[in-house]
Formats: sequence, C-alpha cells, structure tokens
Amino acid sequence: ETGVTQTPRHLVMGMTNKKSLKCEQHLGHNAMYWYKQSAKKPLELMFVYNFKEQTENNSVPSRFSPECPNSSHLFLHLHTLQPEDSALYLCASSPGGSETQYFGPGTRLLVL
Amino acid sequence: GIQVEQSPPDLILQEGANSTLRCNFSDSVNNLQWFHQNPWGQLINLFYIPSGTKQNGRLSATTVATERYSLLYISSSQTTDSGVYFCASMTTDSWGKLQFGAGTQVVVTP
Repeated sequence: ETGVTQTPRHLVMGMTNKKSLKCEQHLGHNAMYWYKQSAKKPLELMFVYNFKEQTENNSVPSRFSPECPNSSHLFLHLHTLQPEDSALYLCASSPGGSETQYFGPGTRLLVL
Repeated sequence: GIQVEQSPPDLILQEGANSTLRCNFSDSVNNLQWFHQNPWGQLINLFYIPSGTKQNGRLSATTVATERYSLLYISSSQTTDSGVYFCASMTTDSWGKLQFGAGTQVVVTP
C-alpha cells in the first residue's frame, strides 16, 4: 500500500542529535496523526492535525515537535531524545476525524 | 477516555483452524477498526465496523454497539495470518483520537 509513506524507515540517533521524520499521504485526506508504539505496549496517539491545524497533543514531551505544512505532509522533529524514546513511530491519515485511519509503514527509531 | 480490552492476549492455531478474537470497549463509539500488524510493523486495515457485520474473504467481523463489543473471526487460518491483531475505537466526543487495545498475538503453525 503506498497511500501513506514514511521516511526514513529506520533511524539511529544519539541523544544530542536532531533529526526529522517525514510522512506523506496521497489519499486526499484532511486529518493526519502521529502514533508511538513501544515494545510490549499498545499504540499511543501523540498528535492530531485537521486541515493543518493541531487539534490534539497527548501530553507529549517538547523534545518531539510536529509540523504540518499542508494536508498531505506531516513531520516530527526530534531533538535531545532519551533512550526510552526508542520505538516504532507510525503516521496515519483519514478523510475526517471519525473515519477510517490508514497507516504508513512506520519509522523504527533507536536512540543511543 | 475510552477503555479498549482485547482477548485473548495470545493465540496459537494450527493451520486450517477457526478462531474468534474479542474486543470490549467502555463507551459508545462512532469508529471501531480492526487491524493486522505484520512482522515488519505495518498496520493493515481489516475492517471499519462501528456496528453490524462485514466479511472479507476468510475474515469477518461483528460489532454489537449496544453491548459494547466486537468480534473478529478468522476461518481456515493460514500461516500468513500470523501477527498481532488490534482493535481500536473512538467516541463521538474524541475527534480523531483512536484508542488502541493491547492486541492479540496470533501464531498459526503449519
């Protein structure tokens, strides 16, 4: 499925690095989301965007900074992360807030 | 927020067997989805089913919204059905906030 793409697919970074994750959806959807999936834990919603406006920040630490320049692109800027931030980061999109969410393949992040 | 509980947490099946996965949710929902996560982490949409019954090949799902549960049926299981199955739901006052259950790990043996 190529509806939602994410880059990079794998990322290793040190605690002092700055990196960005990119998500792009080709489905014409209006809502985009970032989720975090840590080992042995359910998926956790991080951020919700509707028509480029952030509508939800689920108590995410400020070292994660989202950016949504338009309805098709979503970024997650990372800085001074901790080893416990190592996880699979998933992006999703949906036509509207209560409709089916479609997920990208994820970025596996390892923080050393 | 809404609570989503899945059972069983783990399931081992012989190829060809049938199984039922359950999802209980604590509030009225306007979105309920079933996903299959493959070993590479990709979440694959199976069903969008806030109520009623749907079928897609060997998979089918039923949601009884008034009793706050959903069931996913896998018939004639194949090794490619292995992976984690997630249920996720959302209430009418939680725009975009899909709450996931902990998942059911399914292993189908040849």
